Amino acid sequence: KQEVTQIPAALSVPEGENLVLNCSFTDSAIYNLQWFRQDPGKGLTSLLLIQSSQREQTSGRLNASLDKSSGRSTLYIAASQPGDSATYLCAVKETSGSRLTFGEGTQLTVNP
Amino acid sequence: EAGVAQSPRYKIIEKRQSVAFWCNPISGHATLYWYQQILGQGPKLLIQFQNNGVVDDSQLPKDRFSAERLKGVDSTLKIQPAKLEDSAVYLCASSLEFWEHEQYFGPGTRLTVT
Repeated sequence: KQEVTQIPAALSVPEGENLVLNCSFTDSAIYNLQWFRQDPGKGLTSLLLIQSSQREQTSGRLNASLDKSSGRSTLYIAASQPGDSATYLCAVKETSGSRLTFGEGTQLTVNP
Repeated sequence: EAGVAQSPRYKIIEKRQSVAFWCNPISGHATLYWYQQILGQGPKLLIQFQNNGVVDDSQLPKDRFSAERLKGVDSTLKIQPAKLEDSAVYLCASSLEFWEHEQYFGPGTRLTVT
């Protein structure tokens, strides 16, 4: 059974810092890995998706990497802003049609 | 393009009562998902529909939860009777097809069972 773990559970940083969120998964035979953002009272917004054959994906100030063999992914946020404050979730999909298995999330607070 | 719509946004009920949630996916999306997100946890898939057929309901507590998508468009999730541990946010999502990676999420319904 696939299990996804995110560390840390919560993180508070001053504005402008670069930061790294971690995600690990127990079964390395994944189809893809996705990072989501969740704002309070709102649904999830997809940030980045990495296919199993890829090593990283970038979008603006966000960079996500994937190391399948070690069962790890990181989300790097450059020059953090207060607007980045949210909960960040990673999720893995094991086959093209299978369900997403989510981690418990990292709650990020960026202080002005 | 309108997003995934859910109602109600909030619901408070007593244990052993019944409750129903409604979801209208993005127009043209064949696949619809219901997730349960307990406070402090990631979402857990309850049921996945492809058009009006069930693809995956392995994590749905079928003794008290039911869901339908009769015309392959909107969907209803019901809990009967509710337990305290059902307190959670219920998220609906949709995608073009079940193999599509892009799932679009609604705002969720926050259920409190007292």
